[in-house]
Amino acid sequence: ETGVTQSPTHLIKTRGQQVTLRCSSQSGHNTVSWYQQALGQGPQFIFQYYREEENGRGNFPPRFSGLQFPNYSSELNVNALELDDSALYLCASSPGGTPQETQYFGPGTRLLVL
Amino acid sequence: GENVEQHPSTLSVQEGDSAVIKCTYSDSASNYFPWYKQELGKRPQLIIDIRSNVGEKKDQRIAVTLNKTAKHFSLHITETQPEDSAVYFCAAIHTGGFKTIFGAGTRLFVKA
Repeated sequence: ETGVTQSPTHLIKTRGQQVTLRCSSQSGHNTVSWYQQALGQGPQFIFQYYREEENGRGNFPPRFSGLQFPNYSSELNVNALELDDSALYLCASSPGGTPQETQYFGPGTRLLVL
Repeated sequence: GENVEQHPSTLSVQEGDSAVIKCTYSDSASNYFPWYKQELGKRPQLIIDIRSNVGEKKDQRIAVTLNKTAKHFSLHITETQPEDSAVYFCAAIHTGGFKTIFGAGTRLFVKA
């Protein structure tokens, strides 16, 4: 198993609420990426952070935001939750600032929006 | 925009047979192509990757080939075993970009 952890494992929210998901990267990994994986689909890139700065973003609206902290932890925040936000949210960490590196995934947080 | 198409969506093989999964990418500037295996309820795990300066790479029963001209890359699993049953994802990463584009996945069933 990788050294990447996520919390919580499962979460139930209602439409319109806000949620914060947390990720603890492998020690020494300066890059963290977040993905949304809907049931039966591949992970969709949300954004990536390198040394606390966002350096890449996928096709997700601004209500998806993130933070990365110096202690190798990070957060994904989603405001004004919609039913379609129900998915598995994965974070993945890698050592440096280049994209062609092995990414180590966490176990994910399964979010259900009712 | 960038896109990765993956086929087939489901693949069923007999134990000991070979399995081939194919992907096509749209962004010609992609230069790194990892493959992930995801077992039910678990995280994706890297099983093999290939960079654009290499045409083929092998690791025991797993091999990946890349055709940059056609923008195709494929995963080959030989002598399949029941524990190979999982969902496999291909991905493409743009050089200089910071976005990994995944295919939709292939569910592989290996029948004992």
